[in-house]
Amino acid sequence: DVKVTQSSRYLVKRTGEKVFLECVQDMDHENMFWYRQDPGLGLRLIYFSYDVKMKEKGDIPEGYSVSREKKERFSLILESASTNQTSMYLCASSPIIGTQHFGDGTRLSIL
Amino acid sequence: AQSVTQLGSHVSVSEGALVLLRCNYSSSVPPYLFWYVQYPNQGLQLLLKYTSAATLVKGINGFEAEFKKSETSFHLTKPSAHMSDAAEYFCAVSASTGGSYIPTFGRGTSLIVHP
Repeated sequence: DVKVTQSSRYLVKRTGEKVFLECVQDMDHENMFWYRQDPGLGLRLIYFSYDVKMKEKGDIPEGYSVSREKKERFSLILESASTNQTSMYLCASSPIIGTQHFGDGTRLSIL
Repeated sequence: AQSVTQLGSHVSVSEGALVLLRCNYSSSVPPYLFWYVQYPNQGLQLLLKYTSAATLVKGINGFEAEFKKSETSFHLTKPSAHMSDAAEYFCAVSASTGGSYIPTFGRGTSLIVHP
């Protein structure tokens, strides 16, 4: 079974902090994704990566950056956290064409 | 460009009743279509997917969906709802844009099952 592991289930940070969310997949998938999920808005794509060191902006990249130094690991970085970034963050991986596999999510609160 | 519309943010059924969750898509090229389910405090997991083989697709937990190209629809059904089916359901479309297959998700439909 594919496993996508997100480093934290719950995280509380303060406004202005630099926040790192980590995601690791164990199936050698080319693609990795970061989404945020808010009630009534569904999943919105922040960034995705189709290869090591490659990244593409999604629909809502402002205030975020990403890093993919190794194929199995994809990090989401909030450069200076703000309260409007309080949300559920979901990481996913997939082959080039195929089903996405999701982690359990990180519920991030910015105070 | 591709898009997904899920009709109804909430659907309420009685246990044992038919479940119908609606999904319409827009895509300029033949798409892949997916239904995912999300239980509370969990990530999404695949229910079923359409990849241009049979138009009627069977998934896990008794769910199935029918791809209707003329109606650009991919509605999810289950003949008899169970209490354990209560969850959030997401439809997604994925089609080639410049060689990449990046899924677009609908806003989700919350299924409520009454005893």
